Amino acid sequence: GQNIDQPTEMTATEGAIVQINCTYQTSGFNGLFWYQQHAGEAPTFLSYNVLDGLEEKGRFSSFLSRSKGYSYLLLKELQMKDSASYLCAIMDSNYQLIWGAGTKLIIKP
Amino acid sequence: IAGITQAPTSQILAAGRRMTLRCTQDMRHNAMYWYRQDLGLGLRLIHYSNTAGTTGKGEVPDGYSVSRANTDDFPLTLASAVPSQTSVYFCASSETNNNEQFFGPGTRLTVL
Repeated sequence: GQNIDQPTEMTATEGAIVQINCTYQTSGFNGLFWYQQHAGEAPTFLSYNVLDGLEEKGRFSSFLSRSKGYSYLLLKELQMKDSASYLCAIMDSNYQLIWGAGTKLIIKP
Repeated sequence: IAGITQAPTSQILAAGRRMTLRCTQDMRHNAMYWYRQDLGLGLRLIHYSNTAGTTGKGEVPDGYSVSRANTDDFPLTLASAVPSQTSVYFCASSETNNNEQFFGPGTRLTVL
């Protein structure tokens, strides 16, 4: 079967660093995506990993280990506007995205 | 540039009624998608279209139909709405089926 696991909720402090993990088991793998979704809004694209390793984009970085079925999203220098849900999605062998339920990140001052 | 738009923003519908959710993109993307998002669950794919004139079934297609007569439009129809179809519906598009997807603002549908 196909399964994507993320923590339901995390809390962090403004200015700190937080790591959001995602583990997966899917039929085929054509890449892993991270999206950000603010409450009541549409998801917006953050990052894409298809090879093992770390991809850095400003304050956000995403890591992938295909052999372990594992990814994380690292957010540095947290700001209040980073309070949102973070969605992990796997592109399967049919090029369809399978989505995790998302991690709600709460930033405290 | 509008990107991708959806209409209506929200709708309350009586069970048994027919409803079409509209989705239009102006990015000339080949692929388009319909998802539903329910509390505690990930986005679930209803139907997709890899190019104009073709459509395919996603994870939860029952009770829904789509058409793709041209590149820009991808309407989703509920033939006879049921309360379990109460959800937030997102339309998305991508340049091809293996690129990042861009989402519309969503339609909040309540079926009573």
